[in-house]
Amino acid sequence: GESVGLHLPTLSVQEGDNSIINCAYSNSASDYFIWYKQESGKGPQFIIDIRSNMDKRQGQRVTVLLNKTVKHLSLQIAATQPGDSAVYFCAENLYNFNKFYFGSGTKLNVKP
Amino acid sequence: GAGVSQSPRYKVAKRGQDVALRCDPISGHVSLFWYQQALGQGPEFLTYFQNEAQLDKSGLPSDRFFAERPEGSVSTLKIQRTQQEDSAVYLCASSLVTGVGANVLTFGAGSRLTVL
Repeated sequence: GESVGLHLPTLSVQEGDNSIINCAYSNSASDYFIWYKQESGKGPQFIIDIRSNMDKRQGQRVTVLLNKTVKHLSLQIAATQPGDSAVYFCAENLYNFNKFYFGSGTKLNVKP
Repeated sequence: GAGVSQSPRYKVAKRGQDVALRCDPISGHVSLFWYQQALGQGPEFLTYFQNEAQLDKSGLPSDRFFAERPEGSVSTLKIQRTQQEDSAVYLCASSLVTGVGANVLTFGAGSRLTVL
C-alpha cells in the first residue's frame, strides 16, 4: 500500500499542554485524510477529517493542518487531557473512497 | 444498532482450524469494510462491500480469507486453515455515505484472533 508514516512513535506531554502529532504521506494524489484515535481494546474513533482543497480545519480542541507541498499532515490537540491518551492514526484516501491507508500510529501519553 | 458490533471479541484457534468472525454494522449503513490490525500497527484494508456486493477484495492476503454479506447487512469474515501469521485484530467498519473522497468509517471494537 501507499506509505503513510509518522515521525514520532511515542509522544509524552504534560496535562494542559498542547500536543502535535505529525504524519507524512507519499502520494500527492491523495485527496482526503482522517485522524483516528484508538484506545486500548477499542476500534479507531474518528476525530477530524480534511480534504485536499483545504489546509486547515478546526474541531473542538483539535486542529488538523495539511501541507500538500511537503505531503505532511499534523494533528494539534489543545490543552491535552488524560483522556486524550491513546494511539493516533492518520489515514489517507487515494481518490478511491473505499480504501484508506493507515500509518503505524503515534502513542500519546498524557502525564497528570 | 447504536454502533458496529463484532463477535467474538476474542478467539483462540489452533493452527489449521477454520474461524468465522461476525460484524453487525450500524443499521442502514450501505458500506462495510474489513481491516486487519497487527500488534503495534495501523489497520490494513482487507475488503469492502456496498450493500451485498463485494466491490473490492484486493486486500485479502490469501485465498484462505473469504468475506460475505449476503443480505447487505451482517457480514462474516471467514479464515480457513488458520496460520500463526493470521493472529491479529480484525476490525469491521461501516459508513452511510458513499461517494468519492467523503467516507467516515465507524469502527467496531474488533475481534482479536490468536492462532496457536
